[in-house]
Amino acid sequence: EDKVVQSPLSLVVHEGDTVTLNCSYEVTNFRSLLWYKQEKKAPTFLFMLTSSGIEKKSGRLSSILDKKELFSILNITATQTGDSAIYLCAAPNDYKLSFGAGTTVTVRA
Amino acid sequence: DVKVTQSSRYLVKRTGEKVFLECVQDMDHENMFWYRQDPGLGLRLIYFSYDVKMKEKGDIPEGYSVSREKKERFSLILESASTNQTSMYLCASSRAASFYGYTFGSGTRLTVV
Repeated sequence: EDKVVQSPLSLVVHEGDTVTLNCSYEVTNFRSLLWYKQEKKAPTFLFMLTSSGIEKKSGRLSSILDKKELFSILNITATQTGDSAIYLCAAPNDYKLSFGAGTTVTVRA
Repeated sequence: DVKVTQSSRYLVKRTGEKVFLECVQDMDHENMFWYRQDPGLGLRLIYFSYDVKMKEKGDIPEGYSVSREKKERFSLILESASTNQTSMYLCASSRAASFYGYTFGSGTRLTVV
């Protein structure tokens, strides 16, 4: 059975802090790992990672994959209140996505 | 440019009622999915469909059924709603055999009283 585990489940930080979110996975036929951000509505796509050791970056967010150790991290630097959200990690198997439980990030002003 | 539309944002139903949640996508995607999302449990797959009139059970299909009569529409049916089905329901779609992920709808928050 595919398994995606995220940690921590929640955290509270202050504006300007750096946040690191963890995602470990056990997926048959691994092809990619995806990160989503979910505010009040639909999850929105952040990154897709397929190659080990190559950092993907978008503004203050970055992510990296370690295929040997089967995990990924998502970093958010200089956090802002608009970064408050649930961050979801997911891995596809065929055409199904298996999701982790998500990490709820709260950024206080 | 809305791509996956769920018919209701909030819904309140009584125990024992038959409930229909509708999802429509305009991207000509082959695959469609229904998930429920609960705090601490993440998104759990209820049912999915990879073609018209085709359906497959996900991880938690009990108490639910689905219908896909047209490619763009995927309906989730709660045959007899119960309070433990109070949840956020998310519909998604994707291309066939895609590992690029999904496009999600905005979700329906269902409360069963």
